[in-house]
Amino acid sequence: SAVISQKPSRDICQRGTSLTIQCQVDSQVTMMFWYRQQPGQSLTLIATANQGSEATYESGFVIDKFPISRPNLTFSTLTVSNMSPEDSSIYLCSVDHVSTDTQYFGPGTRLTVL
Amino acid sequence: EDKVVQSPLSLVVHEGDTVTLNCSYEVTNFRSLLWYKQEKKAPTFLFMLTSSGIEKKSGRLSSILDKKELFSILNITATQTGDSAVYLCAVLDTGRRALTFGSGTRLQVQP
Repeated sequence: SAVISQKPSRDICQRGTSLTIQCQVDSQVTMMFWYRQQPGQSLTLIATANQGSEATYESGFVIDKFPISRPNLTFSTLTVSNMSPEDSSIYLCSVDHVSTDTQYFGPGTRLTVL
Repeated sequence: EDKVVQSPLSLVVHEGDTVTLNCSYEVTNFRSLLWYKQEKKAPTFLFMLTSSGIEKKSGRLSSILDKKELFSILNITATQTGDSAVYLCAVLDTGRRALTFGSGTRLQVQP
């Protein structure tokens, strides 16, 4: 399985500010995804991070709020913009091993917005 | 729209008990079903199932898939307090290659 790291591990932010979360993988992967887990809820897909092109967003998520970059096959960032308390969640990146149909998750970023 | 339903939502058992967690699904283009264990933040991978009737086993945990009836079960025998966690079921759609998760089953194992 791939080794995935995320930074920061946690953060407490003020309303109206933005936070960029980084996801680094130790090997080249085709697919990278960003998920959100709100308190007491399950995981919801935000978007698929596409290398060299714009991310593909799920219904209810927009680029202006959650801009995503993927400059190469091992790295991606998710920005949570103009934050409100409703954005308080765990944000997780995952990578897809096409050959095994298995997805592995990074350690997650716990975001609290005051 | 893909859908995954897990039951029960929560479960409290005593050490040594055996538990069965359920997962039913509806997916347009089924590729695989995955089970994860989530203790703090990151879900950790347990099993990936693609074929009906073939049991996957790892220690005290096992899982099986029924593609005709569209469900899977996760069994944990001789439970330990370290098994306390949220167990997540997810399906992978061939087209999207993104996971759709169920709501999870919160398992609490008491000493």
